[in-house]
Formats: sequence, structure tokens, C-alpha cells
Amino acid sequence: DAKTTQPPSMDCAEGRAANLPCNHSTISGNEYVYWYRQIHSQGPQYIIHGLKNNETNEMASLIITEDRKSSTLILPHATLRDTAVYYCIVSGIRSNDYKLSFGAGTTVTVRA
Amino acid sequence: DTGVSQDPRHKITKRGQNVTFRCDPISEHNRLYWYRQTLGQGPEFLTYFQNEAQLEKSRLLSDRFSAERPKGSFSTLEIQRTEQGDSAMYLCASIRDGGNTIYFGEGSWLTVV
Repeated sequence: DAKTTQPPSMDCAEGRAANLPCNHSTISGNEYVYWYRQIHSQGPQYIIHGLKNNETNEMASLIITEDRKSSTLILPHATLRDTAVYYCIVSGIRSNDYKLSFGAGTTVTVRA
Repeated sequence: DTGVSQDPRHKITKRGQNVTFRCDPISEHNRLYWYRQTLGQGPEFLTYFQNEAQLEKSRLLSDRFSAERPKGSFSTLEIQRTEQGDSAMYLCASIRDGGNTIYFGEGSWLTVV
């Protein structure tokens, strides 16, 4: 699986949009970009994923650059409950392997 | 709630004792994964099953660790002769064939004293 690079931490003001960058310059054509988050002491929570088109759901939006070498997760109106570690993961959907390889992630702190 | 269920959520054990964790995946999810997570680190892959077959084991899974999924439904992860270095959160996850989203349980915290 392709490696990803994320900033180790970032702060965000409550009510503002949080934009989380991720670089995945070695991504291959069949690999998806996944975002998970982990609130302290809980299991990772799925947020969103995409292949090449931008995606939006009730939690977030995912913007993938045209060359697919980077992406941005957008939390439109951050709340204190969005404080968590956010993981950007690139993974291919292969017949015998759906593994996710986690990096260190970005620790997001939402401040009142 | 029909998510991935793990039990127990917390376990404190003395060094040298055996512990077993159980995972119930989402119904009809035939692929099941175990991960380990230590403080400050992201989850690390341990092993996974497709139905009852264990298809891959990480080198992190020493011979003191064994995982089973006898009927292709729930899975157990046993750690024998626990060591302090085994203290971690053990995460279970599942996905169905053809799916594209892996769902995680809340994890089982192990503290070896």
C-alpha cells in the first residue's frame, strides 16, 4: 500500500471548517483514499473514502487532486467532539487483502 | 447496535497469565481482522480471516498469540504467558467480500502487571 504523509497536529476553532491535508504521491490507480478518526480510547471510526472524485457525506467532504497525489479532508463545522486523531490511509481493494496500514495520523484539537 | 462487538473491553492480568479476547463481527461480514495499538501509535495489523481460514499473520504475532474463527462467525484472540509488552488495545474489524469499508470495534484494553 502507498504511504501517506500527514502533519502531526493541527488546531481548529469550534464552528470553523477544519481542512486536513494528506500526501500520497505513490498512490496507484486502483488504490482508494480512506479517512478514519480515533477519539481517545475508542476504536477507529470510518469517515469517508474516495477513488478520484470528490466525495461528501454527513460527516465530511473529501477533495482529491486531479493527479491523486494528495487529498484534503474537510470537516465543515468543527465541534469539540471532533477532537481526535485523523488517519489518512491508502489501500487497494484486492481479492485477498483489504488491509489498512495506519500511520501516525494528525491529532486535531478543536478549541472553543 | 449491529456494529463490531468486542469483549471484554478492559482486562488487567498478571504477567504469565493467559488472556482471551472475543470479537463478533458485523453480521454477514466474512472477513475479520485483528489489530494491536499501543499508546501514541496507530493500529498495527496482526492477522485476518476470510470465513474460518486464517489467511495472513503479521510477524508481530509471536507464537504466544493464537487467533481462531472456528465457524466463520466470531473470533478469539488468545495470548499465552502474557508479558508487560503485551499491554495494548486489541482491535477487531470486519468487512464483507465486495465491500469497500472496514468497520472497527471499540477495542479490548489489556494491561499486564
